[in-house]
Amino acid sequence: AAGVIQSPRHLIKEKRETATLKCYPIPRHDTVYWYQQGPGQDPQFLISFYEKMQSDKGSIPDRFSAQQFSDYHSELNMSSLELGDSALYFCASSLVGGRETQYFGPGTRLLVL
Amino acid sequence: DAKTTQPPSMDCAEGRAANLPCNHSTISGNEYVYWYRQIHSQGPQYIIHGLKNNETNEMASLIITEDRKSSTLILPHATLRDTAVYYCIVRALNDYKLSFGAGTTVTVRA
Repeated sequence: AAGVIQSPRHLIKEKRETATLKCYPIPRHDTVYWYQQGPGQDPQFLISFYEKMQSDKGSIPDRFSAQQFSDYHSELNMSSLELGDSALYFCASSLVGGRETQYFGPGTRLLVL
Repeated sequence: DAKTTQPPSMDCAEGRAANLPCNHSTISGNEYVYWYRQIHSQGPQYIIHGLKNNETNEMASLIITEDRKSSTLILPHATLRDTAVYYCIVRALNDYKLSFGAGTTVTVRA
């Protein structure tokens, strides 16, 4: 079965640079979620989108923005990167505006030097 | 504030059943119990979820107490590949996010 696709899988950036992470949900899924997992920490919810509209927001820094496109894929844009942004970033998707089970992608490992 | 409480770690012998407890004493009537696991920095993997009835799928069984204040995830025949961090999460259907707390690190030993 098709799964959530994330790209790139690994990314290395310098401080103050910008990064864009992409997420392609499971076909027919209309809701995407972004989570951040710092070293030794548990995943933390950042933001979610349903039918291209923001549906919920967690502790996402103002330097980060995200959107969902008409084909339901989503992008997380991160500007003015800081060392503390080094983390795993997971995208998940679900059907029916969040009422159904979330399935996670393999993640993007971001390293900020 | 944490909605669930899990033991920080547990060991299990390969081939034996693994019983993972979770306390969620403040669960509301519209909240489901979800279980996910994360194998060494991979994306969290959905295992099972339930509202009040016991549930079983190809991966595991979920036993929820009658008062819904606790539950147990059962891996019937643990293998080395089941070594992972297991998260018990309480979530309402209209709550978009999953709130991961401190899960249980399960180590399956040969």
